[in-house]
Amino acid sequence: DTGVSQDPRHKITKRGQNVTFRCDPISEHNRLYWYRQTLGQGPEFLTYFQNEAQLEKSRLLSDRFSAERPKGSFSTLEIQRTEQGDSAMYLCASSPGTGELYGYTFGSGTRLTVV
Amino acid sequence: QKEVEQNSGPLSVPEGAIASLNCTYSDRGSQSFFWYRQYSGKSPELIMFIYSNGDKEDGRFTAQLNKASQYVSLLIRDSQPSDSATYLCAVNRGSSASKIIFGSGTRLSIRP
Repeated sequence: DTGVSQDPRHKITKRGQNVTFRCDPISEHNRLYWYRQTLGQGPEFLTYFQNEAQLEKSRLLSDRFSAERPKGSFSTLEIQRTEQGDSAMYLCASSPGTGELYGYTFGSGTRLTVV
Repeated sequence: QKEVEQNSGPLSVPEGAIASLNCTYSDRGSQSFFWYRQYSGKSPELIMFIYSNGDKEDGRFTAQLNKASQYVSLLIRDSQPSDSATYLCAVNRGSSASKIIFGSGTRLSIRP
């Protein structure tokens, strides 16, 4: 396993459509994080999982956003009824249990454009 | 007040010189401090972490931490054009140590 994998790399969707992104973490990492990054800003925390449990969600994560990590392996992030303000790079990262001490490994990201 | 503050730049440094990047943070309980490098259109890449006061060196990179002043810095010696990127400072939150909070980044440009 060479790293964190995200799919798709790019997604263009019309406003109001639903989109789903997938993240496959490094296999031995039990923590998985989702961040969102807009131009000129640093990554903003959205949510994180330890194994299959979603342990924290940001206030940024409105009701239109949902994330899952069934069986503690890959994770999906779904955005319902997309809005132009959802256009951003969605980054997934994974870490072993000590990620907050030693840092995360990020995937290549999914760039979402809502038109 | 933002949790992690950085000067957005751009910071322009001649090739071969030392680039100095600075960051301040607000949560005194933060324990670990990170520098990520991000090339345009790419995802962040961890280059250094530090959790003790003082300096930590790794090749051309030196991270410096002063917890009393809530200040973190990154020095890049012998700057190369390939160092041109945005550098993100990040800290873990002491009150909720399970995630890392990022600053908005400093854009560094190394001029030949």
